[in-house]
Amino acid sequence: GAGVSQSPSNKVTEKGKDVELRCDPISGHTALYWYRQSLGQGLEFLIYFQGNSAPDKSGLPSDRFSAERTGGSVSTLTIQRTQQEDSAVYLCASSPQSYGYTFGSGTRLTVV
Amino acid sequence: KQEVTQIPAALSVPEGENLVLNCSFTDSAIYNLQWFRQDPGKGLTSLLLIQSSQREQTSGRLNASLDKSSGRSTLYIAASQPGDSATYLCAAYNTDKLIFGTGTRLQVFP
Repeated sequence: GAGVSQSPSNKVTEKGKDVELRCDPISGHTALYWYRQSLGQGLEFLIYFQGNSAPDKSGLPSDRFSAERTGGSVSTLTIQRTQQEDSAVYLCASSPQSYGYTFGSGTRLTVV
Repeated sequence: KQEVTQIPAALSVPEGENLVLNCSFTDSAIYNLQWFRQDPGKGLTSLLLIQSSQREQTSGRLNASLDKSSGRSTLYIAASQPGDSATYLCAAYNTDKLIFGTGTRLQVFP
């Protein structure tokens, strides 16, 4: 596609439920990144994919967070047993060769 | 560990002024530096990308410079307009990911 697409754009979920956030990167971009932006905070790195492998998962805040990427394309970020502190905007970015990032519009997650 | 700092945190100016936003980073071994704009409730829009071998990039009224030796980048906005109001983020890329600064929130009033 023309840009990075994220879905859903907004998600409200009850505390304790699992959620899946989806990212469709720009076709041909090998690198894919997930970031989190909490209210009034900067962007926090979560995980990075090169192809289907994730050489850097250092930013995942807990074992409730996981991500996968299939076919070197679509990526899913899963949060299990959501907590209120998980409320944030989750942003995905892709890059052709690890430079020149294009971000999606994000998924705004609200845990109530 | 790379740390990125942006000064000032907030800026409010009248329309027409020329502006300078500052970004500093602690690890000079970066591959590139990218400036983004974020409007309230929106994602990030890329403004300028400066690769490590470059010293500056220009796009319209925007000019960004990079001095790796001093660990600094500057975003210059000429003849500011109310539509420039947004948060401006710089991000340094080294190793394998972008490290973001906390941003400069800019308000340009008519």
